[in-house]
Amino acid sequence: DAMVIQNPRYQVTQFGKPVTLSCSQTLNHNVMYWYQQKSSQAPKLLFHYYDKDFNNEADTPDNFQSRRPNTSFCFLDIRSPGLGDAAMYLCATSRVRSTDTQYFGPGTRLTVL
Amino acid sequence: KQEVTQIPAALSVPEGENLVLNCSFTDSAIYNLQWFRQDPGKGLTSLLLIQSSQREQTSGRLNASLDKSSGRSTLYIAASQPGDSATYLCAVSNYGGATNKLIFGTGTLLAVQP
Repeated sequence: DAMVIQNPRYQVTQFGKPVTLSCSQTLNHNVMYWYQQKSSQAPKLLFHYYDKDFNNEADTPDNFQSRRPNTSFCFLDIRSPGLGDAAMYLCATSRVRSTDTQYFGPGTRLTVL
Repeated sequence: KQEVTQIPAALSVPEGENLVLNCSFTDSAIYNLQWFRQDPGKGLTSLLLIQSSQREQTSGRLNASLDKSSGRSTLYIAASQPGDSATYLCAVSNYGGATNKLIFGTGTLLAVQP
């Protein structure tokens, strides 16, 4: 029944050790988003894909990369995690860019030691 | 630059009370506004979506209004229940540009006391 699935739910990594977070969807939506939410803060958009078209936010650090190999899957790669990258990472999907509801996954809580 | 503000930051009410959460935004050129619920350590659940041409949306005990010209939205919760305890976030989708994205407020943490 789950529509947007994120794995793992909890991820612990070491400072500087690359990590990949996964998102999959069963909704067949065109658009997939990655948000970062730090404790007690608003979610902040990192980037999104419209089909295969990648759209990076201007203030997203180069340390963050993304891949979308097909409609269903999207990955967030953090090349060299720092302590400041500890956060909840939320994946969302929608049918079109702006006029439709965004459906969120349960999130991945990333801890950096 | 669009900024979204939610007041109050936290709210505690007794069970059964009706309550109103407030959201304001600085740029009225929006496509839509969404209200979300977030339980501790969890993702976001969409509650209501109001398109820019609409004035309000209702779902069960929830009613959201939108006054685009004044940059305000309210979420009304009737007959609150302990299960309503969560953080409520509003987000706007801006018009224009190659990237339309949700810009979130920092949320209102609601506690409904039994």
